[in-house]
Amino acid sequence: GQQLNQSPQSMFIQEGEDVSMNCTSSSIFNTWLWYKQDPGEGPVLLIALYKAGELTSNGRLTAQFGITRKDSFLNISASIPSDVGIYFCAGQPLIQGAQKLVFGQGTRLTINP
Amino acid sequence: DGGITQSPKYLFRKEGQNVTLSCEQNLNHDAMYWYRQDPGQGLRLIYYSQIVNDFQKGDIAEGYSVSREKKESFPLTVTSAQKNPTAFYLCASRPFRELNTEAFFGQGTRLTVV
Repeated sequence: GQQLNQSPQSMFIQEGEDVSMNCTSSSIFNTWLWYKQDPGEGPVLLIALYKAGELTSNGRLTAQFGITRKDSFLNISASIPSDVGIYFCAGQPLIQGAQKLVFGQGTRLTINP
Repeated sequence: DGGITQSPKYLFRKEGQNVTLSCEQNLNHDAMYWYRQDPGQGLRLIYYSQIVNDFQKGDIAEGYSVSREKKESFPLTVTSAQKNPTAFYLCASRPFRELNTEAFFGQGTRLTVV
């Protein structure tokens, strides 16, 4: 199946540091979604992006829909302990009639207090 | 409150048994999805349904079956043909008739073969 390349796979940072992660695809997407998953729980939507070049913020989180429509990034500023978890990007391929969401492999964020 | 409910949260299956995982949503969403998540892995699509009485195979459909008799419900059956069923299963839903929409997830079901 179609894959998204998400990086980095894991991050170990100090509390208060900024975080950046990204997803890339070989094909065009018309939607990018960013999720956070806590252990044993379902992913929770953080930010949704629908237009190329769109930059959206949600508190300390900022995400952008790449201008080429083949990538997206998520930034977290001034990290806090509750930011720990796995972050997933998801994209809607530009294929007419299909409603499949493709997911990245996830970025596991660990924060040292 | 509107949302997606998966049940049970934990499920144990003996080898050779079929088990059915429940997924119900009251969001009036047209599309529903089942994903499998293995430890340290991303989400892999098992089956999805865009309308009632219709569904399509995802990337790893072998050993699984689904039905979509009602808009609100999309149960997943893990059959004895699935050789490695131990995993975390996630159900999601989203509107279909709108072009760009978010997907919302249930809390997941952890299936363990004993």
